[in-house]
Amino acid sequence: EPEVTQTPSHQVTQMGQEVILRCVPISNHLYFYWYRQILGQKVEFLVSFYNNEISEKSEIFDDQFSVERPDGSNFTLKIRSTKLEDSAMYFCASSARAGANVLTFGAGSRLTVL
Amino acid sequence: DAKTTQPTSMDCAEGRAANLPCNHSTISGNEYVYWYRQIHSQGPQYIIHGLKNNETNEMASLIITEDRKSSTLILPHATLRDTAVYYCIVRVAISGSARQLTFGSGTQLTVLP
Repeated sequence: EPEVTQTPSHQVTQMGQEVILRCVPISNHLYFYWYRQILGQKVEFLVSFYNNEISEKSEIFDDQFSVERPDGSNFTLKIRSTKLEDSAMYFCASSARAGANVLTFGAGSRLTVL
Repeated sequence: DAKTTQPTSMDCAEGRAANLPCNHSTISGNEYVYWYRQIHSQGPQYIIHGLKNNETNEMASLIITEDRKSSTLILPHATLRDTAVYYCIVRVAISGSARQLTFGSGTQLTVLP
């Protein structure tokens, strides 16, 4: 069964450092998303991406965050200068053309900011 | 998106059917009911969705009341691996749009041996 692949599975970084989380969505999917989940809290939407541009972003997705689809297969989330409160599980997801609310999520990347 | 109400937690015996309710009394005619689940520390997993007819797939069945104000997700033979948080989400389906999916608190289902 096709799956969304995320790397790294766990990253530890120092506050103020830049972090890039990588995702390989399902190959024929057109919509891409990043969500995050702080330990013990709800899954929160960060950003969605379609047709090479951001479709929607939440208040969490401020100027410290950016997304990119550098080639035909990868979808990345960059945090420019990490803060302690960025520590969370980050989930990438993708969906196909029809039924845009049926998302396939990756296993997540755990980010720990020290 | 219509508001949904789910119980905070439920238990179910292994091998028995798990019936997870969801109230969505303000649902509008073009809104679908979606169910996802999140097994501990994993990414959310899509289960099933429907508009007004009952739906069944290899994972579960979805029963939507005739007035569409509530629905029930049924796991016919729950296993320990079905222990997870189950989310009921109501929203329109708009192709050509990548709008956010909002996850609430969901129902923590614990399947007991």
